[in-house]
This record gives sequence, structure tokens and C-alpha cells, in this order.
Amino acid sequence: GESVGLHLPTLSVQEGDNSIINCAYSNSASDYFIWYKQESGKGPQFIIDIRSNMDKRQGQRVTVLLNKTVKHLSLQIAATQPGDSAVYFCAVQLRSEKLVFGKGTKLTVNP
Amino acid sequence: EAQVTQNPRYLITVTGKKLTVTCSQNMNHEYMSWYRQDPGLGLRQIYYSMNVEVTDKGDVPEGYKVSRKEKRNFPLILESPSPNQTSLYFCASSLSVAGTYNEQFFGPGTRLTVL
Repeated sequence: GESVGLHLPTLSVQEGDNSIINCAYSNSASDYFIWYKQESGKGPQFIIDIRSNMDKRQGQRVTVLLNKTVKHLSLQIAATQPGDSAVYFCAVQLRSEKLVFGKGTKLTVNP
Repeated sequence: EAQVTQNPRYLITVTGKKLTVTCSQNMNHEYMSWYRQDPGLGLRQIYYSMNVEVTDKGDVPEGYKVSRKEKRNFPLILESPSPNQTSLYFCASSLSVAGTYNEQFFGPGTRLTVL
């Protein structure tokens, strides 16, 4: 079955720096790759998605990169702010809307 | 306000005492799903429903039941809870439009402790 793994369980950055969170997946047939953010005490919240036929997509202060050759996905956050402190999950969407989540990376932003 | 609601938010119970966690969405979404979140294991899908009266097992369905009698509601039932079902539970919903990514909206979570 599909598996999704994150490279680092924790990441600490200084306010204003750029953050990069990495993720690896196993199933080449996945159509969509998604990043979710989970703040303490809340449910996961959608950040950005990328379709399998793309290699880069940008949002507001976030960029997702997809490398299908090595089955690698990354989330870049520009000018990281204290409000970005959260756990970030990558996920892949299979058929029937099923999402398979990675285990999460906890991002801590130091002032 | 468009949202997914869950009740209760916190529950402490004892082994074997049947319980139901309710989930409701007001966005007219076809797809609904339950996940459990455990430290070091991330989010794992328990059950999902593509539409009314259509439910299917996710990755960890053992010990759980669901029903989808109405589009807006998707209750999670634990007939005989056990301590290994102590977890943080999330309900989610989304549209179900083919050929696109349908963002899943998550509820606030229900923290369940089974003694």
C-alpha cells in the first residue's frame, strides 16, 4: 500500500528565515500531493496541493515542489513567522478521495 | 459559518461502555471520513463515506462502526471501547468532484480516553 514518510520529525528555525519541510512517498500512481498544517489543539488545515503533472506550485509565502523521479515532496515557507509554528503533514490522495498522511514535522519558530 | 463540528470534544469512559461521537457538516459535502491521531503514527483513516448510505473501511476499522443516514451527519460508534482506542479523533468532509483535489475540512477533534 501507499506509505508517506517525513525526513525530520522536528525543525527549528529563526523568525524571518525560510523553512523547508521534506516528505517522501511510495506510490507513483498518486494524483495529488497535499500539505496540511495542524496548530496545537486544532484539526489539520489545508495549505496547498499540487497535481502529479506539475513540479512546482506557489501560494502565499508557500511553495510546494514535487520531484516524481525520486518521489519527493517539499514545502517551503518564506520569511517564517511565529504563527507558522505547527505540525505540518504531507499527504497523498489515492482514488476515492482517500488521503494517506505522513507522520508530521513539528516546526518551531524562534523569535 | 462553514464548518465541521464534533461532539463531545473530550470524553473519559470505561472499557466496554458503548459510546458515540457525533460529526456534522453544513457544507453539503458528499464525502466524510473519520481519522484517529496517535503520537508517532500520524493520522490514520478509520472509515469513510462517499455519500448517504455508502460507507467503507479505512486502514484501522477494527472496533468501530459508522452510519450515514443523512448527508450532514457521520457518527462514529464504539460498541465496546477498549484502552487501545484512547486517541484523538478527527472527522473530515469534502466535496467529491472527479478529476480535482477536493480539500478535506477537519473538525476540531475529540479526545477520547478509555480506562
